[in-house]
Amino acid sequence: QQPVQSPQAVILREGEDAVINCSSSKALYSVHWYRQKHGEAPVFLMILLKGGEQKGHDKISASFNEKKQQSSLYLTASQLSYSGTYFCGTEKETSGSRLTFGEGTQLTVNP
Amino acid sequence: KAGVTQTPRYLIKTRGQQVTLSCSPISGHRSVSWYQQTPGQGLQFLFEYFSETQRNKGNFPGRFSGRQFSNSRSEMNVSTLELGDSALYLCASSPSSGARQPQHFGDGTRLSIL
Repeated sequence: QQPVQSPQAVILREGEDAVINCSSSKALYSVHWYRQKHGEAPVFLMILLKGGEQKGHDKISASFNEKKQQSSLYLTASQLSYSGTYFCGTEKETSGSRLTFGEGTQLTVNP
Repeated sequence: KAGVTQTPRYLIKTRGQQVTLSCSPISGHRSVSWYQQTPGQGLQFLFEYFSETQRNKGNFPGRFSGRQFSNSRSEMNVSTLELGDSALYLCASSPSSGARQPQHFGDGTRLSIL
């Protein structure tokens, strides 16, 4: 079952903050975050694992609430380069290596 | 270090034909996953290969198949093409099997069915 992302779209001015949420109805083992710019490949941002481990870039922060099966991606002091579509991908405890992606959140950062 | 390479970048086919897409993973990566991306459905998992074995499969018909070679390069084949198969096909590689590590995506092959 596909995770639900919110909001679907957000428009920011440079320097503003944003939070993108991802929720699942299934027990999760990990949550991945990727950013895709138009016409480009998705780029890895962060993995959050059950148990608290995180792997990702220093400038990106995210959280994973294991009880609620929810993850949030925090974008602070946004820059123009943050624009793109953000996808969360979830791995269920029983799905092995299969990632299920949400429909994406389109983020636009204006000057 | 070279990234994930997918060929061809663009492909136009007609209904009923078949197509083969290629993916060369990052050197040293042994796992390759394939995804279909469409505006309406987002990123849909097709299958994952590791050490020449299919480890996981998504909910796609049998017309979609794949394989992996001993050098970790992977191919995806779609037979009897339908209009609905028009999409961006992405492959992603990682050092080993399991979604608990970053997926490195290629630029994709955009397939258009006429």
